[in-house]
Amino acid sequence: KAGVTQTPRYLIKTRGQQVTLSCSPISGHRSVSWYQQTPGQGLQFLFEYFSETQRNKGNFPGRFSGRQFSNSRSEMNVSTLELGDSALYLCASSLGSRGDYNEQFFGPGTRLTVL
Amino acid sequence: AQSVTQPDIHITVSEGASLELRCNYSYGATPYLFWYVQSPGQGLQLLLKYFSGDTLVQGIKGFEAEFKRSQSSFNLRKPSVHWSDAAEYFCAVDGGTYKYIFGTGTRLKVLA
Repeated sequence: KAGVTQTPRYLIKTRGQQVTLSCSPISGHRSVSWYQQTPGQGLQFLFEYFSETQRNKGNFPGRFSGRQFSNSRSEMNVSTLELGDSALYLCASSLGSRGDYNEQFFGPGTRLTVL
Repeated sequence: AQSVTQPDIHITVSEGASLELRCNYSYGATPYLFWYVQSPGQGLQLLLKYFSGDTLVQGIKGFEAEFKRSQSSFNLRKPSVHWSDAAEYFCAVDGGTYKYIFGTGTRLKVLA
């Protein structure tokens, strides 16, 4: 079965622009989580969606937003880009059932560079 | 607060030598614990996981980890390191609210 896919793999933007990243989870997985990875801060949780609803959110400004579609695909959007938003953005999918042990499967990431 | 600590930022070992990467966690209940590996420019690959039962867990690529509740540790081990094991290793805990909490990672260098 196909793994988690993320598009695009690489992206270059300039400050002030906005960007949309896409994540397609493993078939049958209903939960999608997003993480930001930077050399200084490591891996930080952005948000998690399940059945089109955001269930948890990390400590990021409102410029970072996301959504999930009925087919479980998810997008995250960053508006008014700043240099510090340059990072690897990782998406992970899981079954997402409440109360169950959930293993997250990670995609290859989208490398965003803000100039 | 929940947290994961990986005390070693960098570790260098010779090929064929044994390896132990340390991970300590802070979590109120019985944790679900994971070790992931990341090669440069790549996503995270799961090496092994612990959620209950036997405290010695076997994973892929010859890795194993031992859960020690009394020490709040989940150290990763490999008896003989291969050059292809050079990568960054992350310990993570399932934070119980649909998110993982990651350690800061340990970068492994393998000398030929």
